Amino acid sequence: EPEVTQTPSHQVTQMGQEVILRCVPISNHLYFYWYRQILGQKVEFLVSFYNNEISEKSEIFDDQFSVERPDGSNFTLKIRSTKLEDSAMYFCASSAQGETYEQYFGPGTRLTVT
Amino acid sequence: QQPVQSPQAVILREGEDAVINCSSSKALYSVHWYRQKHGEAPVFLMILLKGGEQKGHEKISASFNEKKQQSSLYLTASQLSYSGTYFCGTKTPSGNTPLVFGKGTRLSVIA
Repeated sequence: EPEVTQTPSHQVTQMGQEVILRCVPISNHLYFYWYRQILGQKVEFLVSFYNNEISEKSEIFDDQFSVERPDGSNFTLKIRSTKLEDSAMYFCASSAQGETYEQYFGPGTRLTVT
Repeated sequence: QQPVQSPQAVILREGEDAVINCSSSKALYSVHWYRQKHGEAPVFLMILLKGGEQKGHEKISASFNEKKQQSSLYLTASQLSYSGTYFCGTKTPSGNTPLVFGKGTRLSVIA
């Protein structure tokens, strides 16, 4: 069964450093998402991406964040200058046709900012 | 505006039933239900759309009351594998809005 994959599974970085989280969505999916989940809390939407551009972003997704689909398979989330409060689990998700279709989540990348 | 889920937590014995509720202060276009086990990614359970369409697993049932802006997830004859945190996510009809998740309901099924 096709699945969303994410790398790395755990990233430790120092405050102020840049990190890139990588995701490979399911191959025939067209809509891509990033969410984050601070330990023990709810899943929070960051950004959605369709047709090579951002379609929606939350207040959390400020200028420190960017997304890219550098090739036909990868979808990346970059945090330019990490802060302590960026420590969280970051989930990538993809869906076949957007709003009325289920989103398949990857296993997540645990980001720890020290 | 995030949806409100209730209860926050529930403990069941195997075979018992549970209902998890999700309500919104805004008109809804769709309600999405996911289950997350500890340390894992959320897994899709069901989507309920305005107008009555549903997509999801056969063994999961849910309702969507558009007028009341509420949805309920029904877990019957619970099994140990049902344990986890259940999140509802809601989308409003206005434009290209993201899925907003509630805080979750922690379900524990014990033998």
